[in-house]
Amino acid sequence: GAGVSQSPSNKVTEKGKDVELRCDPISGHTALYWYRQSLGQGLEFLIYFQGNSAPDKSGLPSDRFSAERTGGSVSTLTIQRTQQEDSAVYLCASSNSGRIYGYTFGSGTRLTVV
Amino acid sequence: DQQVKQNSPSLSVQEGRISILNCDYTNSMFDYFLWYKKYPAEGPTFLISISSIKDKNEDGRFTVFLNKSAKHLSLHIVPSQPGDSAVYFCAASGGGGSQGNLIFGKGTKLSVKP
Repeated sequence: GAGVSQSPSNKVTEKGKDVELRCDPISGHTALYWYRQSLGQGLEFLIYFQGNSAPDKSGLPSDRFSAERTGGSVSTLTIQRTQQEDSAVYLCASSNSGRIYGYTFGSGTRLTVV
Repeated sequence: DQQVKQNSPSLSVQEGRISILNCDYTNSMFDYFLWYKKYPAEGPTFLISISSIKDKNEDGRFTVFLNKSAKHLSLHIVPSQPGDSAVYFCAASGGGGSQGNLIFGKGTKLSVKP
């Protein structure tokens, strides 16, 4: 597609439920990133996929968070047993080789845990 | 500990005047810096970047200055326009040639008043 697509755009879930957030990167982009922005905070790195390499999971805040990227394209971020502190905007970005243009971000998924 | 700091959460400027957004960093290994702009309910969009081998990069109304000795960079917008009103994020990446992940500041909300 023309841009990075994320779904759903909004998600309200009950505490303790599992949620899945989806990201469709720009076609041909080899790198895919997940960030989240909590209220009043900056963008917090979660996980990074580059081609067929093992993902960099160093930013995942707990083992309730996991992500996969199938076929080097679509990615799913899964949060198990959601907690209220998981409420945030989850942003996905993709990029091609060369950092000079930075990332292209999607519009994000606003997750609210009630 | 925050490696990228934007100490001003907000800035208000009159239309036509200069906007100066500041960013400080602590990691001397950072070798590439970027500014992103974010409107409400949208993902951040890339604005301008600078490599650590330079001290200035200009693109139209936007100029980024880098002072490596002070570990400080700034974004100048001149003349400021109401459409520039947004949250501006400073980001940095490390060396080694790999893309890795970007480290973001918390953002500065710019309001340009007509």
